[in-house]
Amino acid sequence: QVQLVESGGGLVKPGGSLRLSCAASTFTFSDSYMSWIRQAPGKGLEWVSYISTTGTTKNYADSVEGRFTISRDNAKNSLYLQMSNLRAEDTAMYYCARGQYWFGPWGQGTLVTVSS
Amino acid sequence: EIVMTQSPDTLSASAGERVTLSCRASQSLSRNLAWYQQRPGQGPRLLIYGASTRATGIPDRVSGSGSGTEFTLTISSLQSEDFAVYYCQQYENWPLTFGGGTKVDIK
Repeated sequence: QVQLVESGGGLVKPGGSLRLSCAASTFTFSDSYMSWIRQAPGKGLEWVSYISTTGTTKNYADSVEGRFTISRDNAKNSLYLQMSNLRAEDTAMYYCARGQYWFGPWGQGTLVTVSS
Repeated sequence: EIVMTQSPDTLSASAGERVTLSCRASQSLSRNLAWYQQRPGQGPRLLIYGASTRATGIPDRVSGSGSGTEFTLTISSLQSEDFAVYYCQQYENWPLTFGGGTKVDIK
């Protein structure tokens, strides 16, 4: 069964940085576009970013453009999200998911809390 | 940005009932729409893409229909595992956007 496991979330102060990771297993990671989607507490879903199979093409939501960087290491079957200059409104559960247009499967998420 | 509107916000139903969830887009999507199910404490699960194509492992009691700006998700006979929140998502234009969700709970 395809599995995605996120890690790296936690409590960070406004203006701080955090790096999220997503480990993939049981599918050909290097053949898959990958994305990050977030969900603020009690709220709906917001697409954040995607990356192409080789990492050459990336796209970001306006809300994170210039502050977040998506990357991948196909040798390690891993996806990353480097987040900097974090704001209170970035507080959310962050999910990694396979896909560029529609998403499946998803991981269980990692919680990022931005608070002083 | 395409705005996705789901209705109702909450739908109360009994096991065995047929339910229909609605999703409306602020502009035409052709058939570039997906549906997801999210159970408490879990990540979403892909149900439908291309407005009506079931994802791998999704039972045939779950079906999607529609095109343009109006879409529906139908569950023909609710099972206990179907009580959850359902989201629609468009992939016609960037940024990709989701509806606010419909919660299906037990009557």
